[in-house]
Amino acid sequence: DQQVKQNSPSLSVQEGRISILNCDYTNSMFDYFLWYKKYPAEGPTFLISISSIKDKNEDGRFTVFLNKSAKHLSLHIVPSQPGDSAVYFCAASSGTYKYIFGTGTRLKVLA
Amino acid sequence: GAVVSQHPSWVICKSGTSVKIECRSLDFQATTMFWYRQFPKQSLMLMATSNEGSKATYEQGVEKDKFLINHASLTLSTLTVTSAHPEDSSFYICSAHSGTGKANYGYTFGSGTRLTVV
Repeated sequence: DQQVKQNSPSLSVQEGRISILNCDYTNSMFDYFLWYKKYPAEGPTFLISISSIKDKNEDGRFTVFLNKSAKHLSLHIVPSQPGDSAVYFCAASSGTYKYIFGTGTRLKVLA
Repeated sequence: GAVVSQHPSWVICKSGTSVKIECRSLDFQATTMFWYRQFPKQSLMLMATSNEGSKATYEQGVEKDKFLINHASLTLSTLTVTSAHPEDSSFYICSAHSGTGKANYGYTFGSGTRLTVV
């Protein structure tokens, strides 16, 4: 039972355009969400987080939106850069340090 | 920021042998460490949670006798894959939590270990 889903395994975007990565979850108890970026053969690195008391969090080119009623969150990258090409994971937790990860979306930013 | 060092980055071993993977927090004390496994094109799956000085808590379906976890100090956790078999080949990643809160600065990943069992 995949509680956190990233239904798009891959996404290609032109440099300078917006990248939108989506994540859906099923557990309404999740109250904290993270986005990680992962390069091949490396561990994930933190990008941005959001708690369930907010619906938006912004950090530079990265913005995460949370729609609790739809159990959906998205990561927007504007403008997209070639260095953003990586696999992006969303992760969710419900009051503990135990996070459930999605399967990842591979983003390719075309120069 | 917080740094977690994981070694080795890759290892090839023969079937039936054991492999130890180390995870060290370099500039903070990690009260809790997590071990994940990632198969190709799949998500990171939590294997176990270890707290310094106590036994690890394993997720359902993870054999605790096969994946031995030791968290003897606040800066070091080890995962030993015992009697490794080809199906254990995977990417193993550790993560450490400093206990300073739920924000991400308390949850830092190592660089991962690619294990190949031949």
